[in-house]
Amino acid sequence: AQSVAQPEDQVNVAEGNPLTVKCTYSVSGNPYLFWYVQYPNRGLQFLLKYITGDNLVKGSYGFEAEFNKSQTSFHLKKPSALVSDSALYFCAVRGGGTASKLTFGTGTRLQVTL
Amino acid sequence: GAVVSQHPSWVICKSGTSVKIECRSLDFQATTMFWYRQFPKQSLMLMATSNEGSKATYEQGVEKDKFLINHASLTLSTLTVTSAHPEDSSFYICSVPTGGTSGRVRDTQYFGPGTRLTVL
Repeated sequence: AQSVAQPEDQVNVAEGNPLTVKCTYSVSGNPYLFWYVQYPNRGLQFLLKYITGDNLVKGSYGFEAEFNKSQTSFHLKKPSALVSDSALYFCAVRGGGTASKLTFGTGTRLQVTL
Repeated sequence: GAVVSQHPSWVICKSGTSVKIECRSLDFQATTMFWYRQFPKQSLMLMATSNEGSKATYEQGVEKDKFLINHASLTLSTLTVTSAHPEDSSFYICSVPTGGTSGRVRDTQYFGPGTRLTVL
C-alpha cells in the first residue's frame, strides 16, 4: 500500500524568509509525486509534480520541490515566503500501474506572518 | 481559468432528504472523474471513481446505495447523497484527470472548488 507522511501539522515562517514543507512517501515502483494547495473553503489547486527527470521541480507561484529517492522525500520549498502563501498544503503520491490511486498526506498548514 | 466546476458550492438540508452535487469538466471531455470527501482539518478521502457509460467504482467502506454516482455525460458527473444525516456533513470535492481519462499515472488531477454539505 502506498502512503504519504507530512510530519508537520503547521509551519510558521516570516514573510521574506525561505520556507520548507516536508513530505515523505512510500510506494511500490516509481513514484509520481504531487503538491497541491488549498485555500479556505476551496478545492485543491495543483502546484507541481514530479514524474521523471530532474530532481528539482519548479511549479506555480515560485514554489519548487526536490525529489530525493534515497530519502523517499519530496519537500516543498520557496526561497521567499509571502503572506498570501498562507494556506493548507497537501502532498500526494501515485505508484505504478494504471489502477493506482492518488493518496494524499494529512496536509500542512503554512502560516506566513509579517 | 477553471478546469472543473461544482454546483452548488454549499448546501444546507434537513436530515432524511437527498442532495445532488454536480461536477462539470470545463476544458475537456472526461470519461473518468473522482469524488473525494474531506472532513475538517483532515485529508481527502477518495470515495469513488465515476466512469462514463458504466458503474462507478466505490472505495472500501463507502456505501454505494448511500452515495449514488451518475456519470451522465462526458462533461458531467453527479453525486447524490441519499437520506442524508448529520454525519454526512462534509466537504465534497470532485476531480478530473488530465485529458479526462484515467489510466496514466503521470496524469495531474484537477479539482473542483468543492461543495460544503451541512445536514441539520
